[in-house]
Order: sequence, then structure tokens, then C-alpha cells
Amino acid sequence: GQQVMQIPQYQHVQEGEDFTTYCNSSTTLSNIQWYKQRPGGHPVFLIQLVKSGEVKKQKRLTFQFGEAKKNSSLHITATQTTDVGTYFCAETDSWGKFQFGAGTQVVVTP
Amino acid sequence: ETGVTQTPRHLVMGMTNKKSLKCEQHLGHNAMYWYKQSAKKPLELMFVYSLEERVENNSVPSRFSPECPNSSHLFLHLHTLQPEDSALYLCASSRLLAGRTEAFFGQGTRLTVV
Repeated sequence: GQQVMQIPQYQHVQEGEDFTTYCNSSTTLSNIQWYKQRPGGHPVFLIQLVKSGEVKKQKRLTFQFGEAKKNSSLHITATQTTDVGTYFCAETDSWGKFQFGAGTQVVVTP
Repeated sequence: ETGVTQTPRHLVMGMTNKKSLKCEQHLGHNAMYWYKQSAKKPLELMFVYSLEERVENNSVPSRFSPECPNSSHLFLHLHTLQPEDSALYLCASSRLLAGRTEAFFGQGTRLTVV
């Protein structure tokens, strides 16, 4: 099945700094979803992008879908300790199969 | 709470035991999933039930046996597991044919095979 690749695998961020995590595919994605999993928790849906070039914002989080629909990014500004966790991107097909990337584990140092 | 409930939350079992994991969703969804999450590995899709029919097996060993008696309940029957099967097992559900098909996850069952 199609795989989405996420980079970086780990991200150490100083509190207050910005960072970006990326999700890439070799083929066109029908959609892209982003999830966050806190340490010891379960993945929680953040957002879905469907349209080429789409940009959505949630407070300090900015999600973008590439023009060719082969990549997506999540940018967090002014990182806080509450941003700690693993961020996953995923694509879903019409059968409801969710293919998750390996995730970016974010560690925030005060 | 996500509306997806998994029991038990923690399970320790011997390699010769038989146990079952249970998942229940109260969201009116029509698709349910089992995922395996091991340390330093991505979420591995094990089984998908879409409209109560299994549509994905993903080459899962036969020591894992899913059961979906209705659209609200999903089980994962375990027997003669191996230590490498120790992991977090996550159940999820979604509503197909909707504009936004996000997955709602349960809190998971932390399984340890000894």
C-alpha cells in the first residue's frame, strides 16, 4: 500500500522556538490527516486537508497541503511544553484504511 | 473521552494463554480497526472492518483473530502469543462515506507477553 514518509523522526525544540515537520509521498494523496499522540496517550485527530495548496490554522499550528498533493507540513510557532508528543500524518482511502506515517516525536526543553 | 472504549487497559499473559481484547464505540461509526503500536515503530494496521466486513488482513499472524459481531463492537482474540507481540493495541473507528473520515482511537490495551 501507499506509504507516507515523515521527517524528521525526532525533533528537539527549545520552548518558544518554531519548528516544522513534513510528510511526503511518492504518489498523489487523496487527502492528508494529522494526529497528535501525547506520551502515554492515544492518537487524536487534529485536522484533514483535501484540496491542493490548502492551508489551515489552529492557533499556533499551521497545516499545509502541497500543490501537487504529494506532501504536507505542520508548522508550530512559539513551541510550548504542551506541544510535546508524536505527530502523525495519515492518508485514508475509500475503504477507510488509514495509512499512518512513522511520526515525528517532539521533545520540548524549557 | 473519544467515544471508543477499550478493555482491558493493561494485560499480562503467558505464551500459552488465551485472552481477548474488547473495543466498543458509541459514535455510530461503520468502520472499526485494530492497530499495533510497538516502541520505535509506526502504527501498524492489523485489521479493518468496513460495514461489518473484514477488508484488510495485512498478513497478521493467525495467533491474532479478530471478530466484529456488529458495527459497535470489535474483539481481538489472542492465543499462543510471543514476547515480540508485546505492544500497545489500539482500536479505532470512523464513519465511511462522510466528508471527513477521521479516526477516533480508544486509549489502547498495553499488552505484555511473558
